[in-house]
Amino acid sequence: GAGVSQSPSNKVTEKGKDVELRCDPISGHTALYWYRQSLGQGLEFLIYFQGNSAPDKSGLPSDRFSAERTGGSVSTLTIQRTQQEDSAVYLCASSSSSPGLAGGYEQFFGPGTRLTVL
Amino acid sequence: QQPVQSPQAVILREGEDAVINCSSSKALYSVHWYRQKHGEAPVFLMILLKGGEQKGHEKISASFNEKKQQSSLYLTASQLSYSGTYFCGTEYSSASKIIFGSGTRLSIRP
Repeated sequence: GAGVSQSPSNKVTEKGKDVELRCDPISGHTALYWYRQSLGQGLEFLIYFQGNSAPDKSGLPSDRFSAERTGGSVSTLTIQRTQQEDSAVYLCASSSSSPGLAGGYEQFFGPGTRLTVL
Repeated sequence: QQPVQSPQAVILREGEDAVINCSSSKALYSVHWYRQKHGEAPVFLMILLKGGEQKGHEKISASFNEKKQQSSLYLTASQLSYSGTYFCGTEYSSASKIIFGSGTRLSIRP
């Protein structure tokens, strides 16, 4: 079956421009995460959507970052007025997030969007 | 709070064993382990839940010490394919966000 997809795979932008990154989770997965990974670094949590609950935005680094999830499926991460320090790979992951071991609990990661801010 | 992983890097010869540790300052609900190869997305290895349940990779084992808020990943008889960066992710309650550690880079030499 189809996994998590992200688009674009690469994005080069100029400092100060806005960018939108898209994530299509696995169908039926209720949980969706965004992470940021700078070169050679770990996975920095950004935002977490779980079903119809209010998203956990505690990882967003500044108010230039926002994300939405429409219809409980596709998510868009928007970065306004991009800065060079925003350059990184942005990873999206989804899970069914059902408590317990039956069915899914593991996160399935997309291939990421490599963002380069010049 | 981000969990702490140790060591930061390990170099092994093929066939040797390794242990990667993950610790938290808060009580854990679950610990997740993922492996990321260079240029690829992280891939699920194992989940350990409070209470002892676990689900994971057939050739990799892990432990979860709830009292010490620690988990260890055991890689035995390492193979070249085990190379990559290992991340532990911690969850502090059911269906809460997962926060990952900074990773442990494992290199296997033939």
